[in-house]
Amino acid sequence: DMQMTQSPSSLSAFVGDRVTITCRASQSISRYLNWYQQKPGRAPKILIYAASSLPSGVPSRFSGSGSGTDFTLSISSLQPEDFATYYCQQTYSIPYTFGQGTKVEIK
Amino acid sequence: QVQLQESGPGLVKPSQTLSLTCTVSGASISSGSYYCSWIRQPAGKGLEWIGHIYTSGSTNYNPSLKSRVTISIDTSKNQVSLRLNSVTAADTAVYYCARGRAEVTSDPLDYWGQGTLVTVSS
Repeated sequence: DMQMTQSPSSLSAFVGDRVTITCRASQSISRYLNWYQQKPGRAPKILIYAASSLPSGVPSRFSGSGSGTDFTLSISSLQPEDFATYYCQQTYSIPYTFGQGTKVEIK
Repeated sequence: QVQLQESGPGLVKPSQTLSLTCTVSGASISSGSYYCSWIRQPAGKGLEWIGHIYTSGSTNYNPSLKSRVTISIDTSKNQVSLRLNSVTAADTAVYYCARGRAEVTSDPLDYWGQGTLVTVSS
C-alpha cells in the first residue's frame, strides 16, 4: 500500500498566522493528491484536489502545492473556523490511502 | 443540492454481517462522471478507505478488507450498499459514504454523508 505521512501530527497557531502542513508519499503519485478538512463530529470536506486545485466555495486562503512525493497544504491567514483536522489522500493506486491527519488548534 | 445519507443498524453482533445503504438525492448516481466510496473512521482515529463502485458496477476494494466486503449499486433507487462480513470489534467505526468525481484527475470526494456509527458488540 502507498504510505502517506503527514507532518506535523498537530500544531497550534495564532489567528492570522500562516500554517503549512506537509504530506509525503512513499512513492511518486504525480498529482493524485487531495486534501480534506474534518471538524469534530462532522464528515470530511474537500479542500484541495489534484494537489493544487481549489473547489468552488473553498476560501482562497487555502492553497496546495507539490507533485511526485512531497505535497503541502497552506493556510495563508489562519481563521478561528479553521480549527480542524486535515487529511491528505492519494488516489494514484488502490487502496486510496489517507495520511494520519494533522490537528490544527488555535492559540 | 447533492445529499448523501447512510442508513442501517447501529449495532451488529460479532461474526455477523454489517449492512449499510447510502441514498443519494439531488443528483443521479447513473452519471458516468461519478462514483461512490465507503470510508470508515474508528473513534478518535484516522480515515480508512474501504472501497468504491462505479455506475458500471465495477468495484475496487481495500485489500485489507477485500475478502469480507461487497459494495453494490442500485441505480433505480439511487442507492449504494455496503456489506461487511464476519465483523469484529475492530470494525466498530463511523461509516461514511461519499461521491467521487471520476472525471477529475485525482477522483476527489466532493460530497459526503453525515456518517453513521456502527458498533460491533454482543
